[in-house]
Amino acid sequence: QVQLQESGPGLVKPSETLSLTCTVSGGSVSSGSYYWSWIRQPPGKGLEWIAYMDYSGNTNHNPSLKSRVTISVDTSKNQFSLKLSSMTAADTAVYYCARTNWNAAPKIDYWGQGTLVTVSS
Amino acid sequence: QSVLTQPPSASGTPGLRVTISCSGSSSNIGSNTVNWYQQLPGTAPKLLIYSSNQRPSGVPDRFSGSKSGTSASLAISGLQSEDEADYSCAAWDDSLNGWVFGGGTKLTVL
Repeated sequence: QVQLQESGPGLVKPSETLSLTCTVSGGSVSSGSYYWSWIRQPPGKGLEWIAYMDYSGNTNHNPSLKSRVTISVDTSKNQFSLKLSSMTAADTAVYYCARTNWNAAPKIDYWGQGTLVTVSS
Repeated sequence: QSVLTQPPSASGTPGLRVTISCSGSSSNIGSNTVNWYQQLPGTAPKLLIYSSNQRPSGVPDRFSGSKSGTSASLAISGLQSEDEADYSCAAWDDSLNGWVFGGGTKLTVL
């Protein structure tokens, strides 16, 4: 059974950079057919995809976030990470790490429990 | 503003059937399959339907999905009180090269 667990600060000041890490157990971040994503959900709103990293280390991010996003992987720790710069109140959300499974058709089949990040001074 | 469009709310009485719609475009639903997620308050989304009409093991067959063109729908039959939750649709978008989601539909069981 694959499990994902987010870790990072629950409070970030405006203009600072958010750093979150997702630890994966029960599966490898280097496995083929899987992408590793960050997704967020502002309070009372819908889900928004932030970025993904594939099994080869290729990345892509939502252009709505411009160039504020960096996603990276540490295969030795079986973790992947998100950095989101220039945080504002609009970035307050529950942040999820998740796995996209490309077998047969794309689906997000495993999610972390989510971590609430509040942007406030 | 979510890329996929869902009604913000839906309701039904126990035992009856309710459907939730999801509308997209040619680059997402029109080109790829649709997934549906159930989200109970304070919890992460749970995969309910994948590949537009497939259920993961453990999901009751009361839940079904369909897709036509650039729209999809989720149907829940034999409505139960524990079905009260938020339901979101998702699809891979070929233009974005990433996931797009609906804004979520809050289902109330009357």
